[in-house]
Amino acid sequence: DAKTTQPNSMESNEEEPVHLPCNHSTISGTDYIHWYRQLPSQGPEYVIHGLTSNVNNRMASLAIAEDRKSSTLILHRATLRDAAVYYCILRVIQGAQKLVFGQGTRLTINP
Amino acid sequence: DAGVIQSPRHEVTEMGQEVTLRCKPISGHNSLFWYRQTMMRGLELLIYFNNNVPIDDSGMPEDRFSAKMPNASFSTLKIQPSEPRDSAVYFCASSLGAFNEQFFGPGTRLTVL
Repeated sequence: DAKTTQPNSMESNEEEPVHLPCNHSTISGTDYIHWYRQLPSQGPEYVIHGLTSNVNNRMASLAIAEDRKSSTLILHRATLRDAAVYYCILRVIQGAQKLVFGQGTRLTINP
Repeated sequence: DAGVIQSPRHEVTEMGQEVTLRCKPISGHNSLFWYRQTMMRGLELLIYFNNNVPIDDSGMPEDRFSAKMPNASFSTLKIQPSEPRDSAVYFCASSLGAFNEQFFGPGTRLTVL
């Protein structure tokens, strides 16, 4: 599986936007970019995924660089409930179904 | 839907004892995954099933670990004999189809003394 690189931690303030970066310079043309997050004492939960175009859903937006070597998860207006570890994962659409989790980014939200 | 159900939520046992963790996937989902999470190694996949058939068990650490899925609504992960280094949070996840999002259960926190 291609590797992703994320900052270990980030901090933001409540009600402000948060941009979580992910580098994936070895991404291949068939790799989808997935984001999951893990709230304290809970299992991971799906956030969003994309291939080439930017994606929006009710939780977040995903901005993908034109060369696809990096992407950014955007939380438009962070709340205290968004404090979690965010994982950026690459998945091959016709490959294994498994998710390979890295260390993720621990996001702290200040009130 | 109640989501993925795992039991027990907490398990404390002594070294050498057998431990069985249970998982009920979301109804209708045909893929089931067992993960383990520790501080040292993070989240790692142990095994996954498609339509009740084990597809990839390369993450199972050793022969002490075994997993079964006798039907579409139930799976077990067994450790026999257990060792202190097996202490971790074990998550079960399920999904519908090969590539769709995975839904995780609340996890079982296992402590082996």
